[in-house]
Amino acid sequence: DAKTTQPNSMESNEEEPVHLPCNHSTISGTDYIHWYRQLPSQGPEYVIHGLTSNVNNRMASLAIAEDRKSSTLILHRATLRDAAVYYCILRSYNSGNTPLVFGKGTRLSVIA
Amino acid sequence: EAGVAQSPRYKIIEKRQSVAFWCNPISGHATLYWYQQILGQGPKLLIQFQNNGVVDDSQLPKDRFSAERLKGVDSTLKIQPAKLEDSAVYLCASSLAAGSHYEQYFGPGTRLTVT
Repeated sequence: DAKTTQPNSMESNEEEPVHLPCNHSTISGTDYIHWYRQLPSQGPEYVIHGLTSNVNNRMASLAIAEDRKSSTLILHRATLRDAAVYYCILRSYNSGNTPLVFGKGTRLSVIA
Repeated sequence: EAGVAQSPRYKIIEKRQSVAFWCNPISGHATLYWYQQILGQGPKLLIQFQNNGVVDDSQLPKDRFSAERLKGVDSTLKIQPAKLEDSAVYLCASSLAAGSHYEQYFGPGTRLTVT
């Protein structure tokens, strides 16, 4: 699996937007960009995924660079509940079975 | 919809003892995963089942770890004998099917401490 690079930690004020970056310079054409997050003492949960176009859902937005070598997860208004470790993961859709390969992720702290 | 259930939530054992973890996936999910998460790291896949068959166990330390998924529903992960380095959170996840299109749903995990 292609590797991703994320900052170890970030901090945000409550109710402000948060932009979590991810670099994936060796991404291939069949790799989708997935984001999961892990709240304290819980298992990871799916956030969003995309291939080329920007994506929006109720939790977040995903902005993908035109060359696909980087992406940004956007939380529009951070709340205290958004404090978690955020993982950016590449998954190939070329074969039927591609596991999630987690890195260390970005630990997001939200300040009230 | 009920989520992925795991038990126990916490377990403390001495090294060389054995331990077993149980997982009940979301109803109808064909694919089940066991992950190990060591403190400060992301989860690492140990084994993946498709129904009751093993799809990937390449990272499972088979000399001490075993897992089964009888009848393609519940699963158990066993460690025998445990070592200090097995202290970690063991996460179970399930998905509707094995493809990359499918979201994985994780349980709360079992925190194992080996003393």
